[in-house]
Amino acid sequence: EVQLVESGGGLVKPGESLRLSCAASGFTFSSYSMNWVRQAPGKGLEWVSSISGSSADRYYADSLKGRLTISRDNAKNSLYLQMNSLRAEDTAVYYCARDAAGPTGGGWFDPWGQGTLVTVSS
Amino acid sequence: SYELTQPPSVSVSPGQTANISCSGDKLGNKYAYWYQQDPGQSPILVIYEDSKRPSGIPERFSGSNSGNTATLTISGSQAMDEADYYCQAWDSSTVVFGGGTKLTVL
Repeated sequence: EVQLVESGGGLVKPGESLRLSCAASGFTFSSYSMNWVRQAPGKGLEWVSSISGSSADRYYADSLKGRLTISRDNAKNSLYLQMNSLRAEDTAVYYCARDAAGPTGGGWFDPWGQGTLVTVSS
Repeated sequence: SYELTQPPSVSVSPGQTANISCSGDKLGNKYAYWYQQDPGQSPILVIYEDSKRPSGIPERFSGSNSGNTATLTISGSQAMDEADYYCQAWDSSTVVFGGGTKLTVL
């Protein structure tokens, strides 16, 4: 069974950093581009970042560029999101999602993880 | 930046057809994807590459994409279809989601 499990969320203060993880299983992890998508409470989906299967290509939402770093460890079947200088508006559930089109992405997201909640508050 | 526009809400009676639109500049030149999200749950894919249904998605879900508008159609809507629906497309190397549509079946 293809599965994605996020972890690392929690309550942090404004200006602090946090590293999210996503553990993948049930498929050849390196053969797929991976993504982070977030959803603020009561709001819609917002794409955050993507990384190709080889890590050669990384893309970020313009509004978040400079504060985020996406990475992956194919040997550990894991995806990461390092978030710095967190703000209250970063409060959201963060989902990891596989791009089913393959290692270079550009396709549809399937499946999604269950999400991890990040709360930024003093 | 590229934008996708969806109606905030759509209502349909049980057994009737629901159409959820997603508008964007020359969207028909891109692929459109659709996700269903129940409250408190993760999104699931219901349509990919404009009109293809993943395995396990009921046949009553269909999609089309032409000109500036992609449409998700749910034929014979059921109470279980009540959820939020999001369209998605790629703009260069970035992903764009529509604002979401809450489908009410009543």
